[in-house]
Amino acid sequence: AQSVTQLDSQVPVFEEAPVELRCNYSSSVSVYLFWYVQYPNQGLQLLLKYLSGSTLVKGINGFEAEFNKSQTSFHLRKPSVHISDTAEYFCAVSIIQGAQKLVFGQGTRLTINP
Amino acid sequence: KAGVTQTPRYLIKTRGQQVTLSCSPISGHRSVSWYQQTPGQGLQFLFEYFSETQRNKGNFPGRFSGRQFSNSRSEMNVSTLELGDSALYLCASSSLPLQANTEAFFGQGTRLTVV
Repeated sequence: AQSVTQLDSQVPVFEEAPVELRCNYSSSVSVYLFWYVQYPNQGLQLLLKYLSGSTLVKGINGFEAEFNKSQTSFHLRKPSVHISDTAEYFCAVSIIQGAQKLVFGQGTRLTINP
Repeated sequence: KAGVTQTPRYLIKTRGQQVTLSCSPISGHRSVSWYQQTPGQGLQFLFEYFSETQRNKGNFPGRFSGRQFSNSRSEMNVSTLELGDSALYLCASSSLPLQANTEAFFGQGTRLTVV
């Protein structure tokens, strides 16, 4: 079975500071990796995904993530955050073979302070 | 192009009652999947439907059921509601059967409160 661990439940940062949201996964088979964002009272929106190829993936809103197979990590980064980035961020995996379902981490609440 | 529409947005029910939630996928999308989101358990997969057939099911009791109609709209039903069923229920649609690299588009969710 697959599992996802988001190491920080809450991350407070100041506006224009860099941020890294950490995600580690566990799986006995190859997986695809995703980051989703959830704004207050909204559904989930896909930020970026890693399927294959370059391990550095760029997404929307200036976010990027790096897949590290040896460390089974997929950390999300942004060099300079804005107040509008305040949201909950979810890391998720899906297995490459078979009927797919997304397995989500517990989420990281990113709070941007002015 | 309209997004995924879930109705109602908010719902309050009493223990023991049953509830039906609705999800209209993006036009042309034939796959609908359902997730339950709670503070304690996070986001958990309930089931996926494609072309009116259930393709995959999560680890939920039989009180949770669903169906999909010929127009791809899906309903989720929960019978004999328990307090622990209080959650945000999210629906996601995709154009293809939910393969690993298929992007799923989520609705805003239905917040169910059981009292």
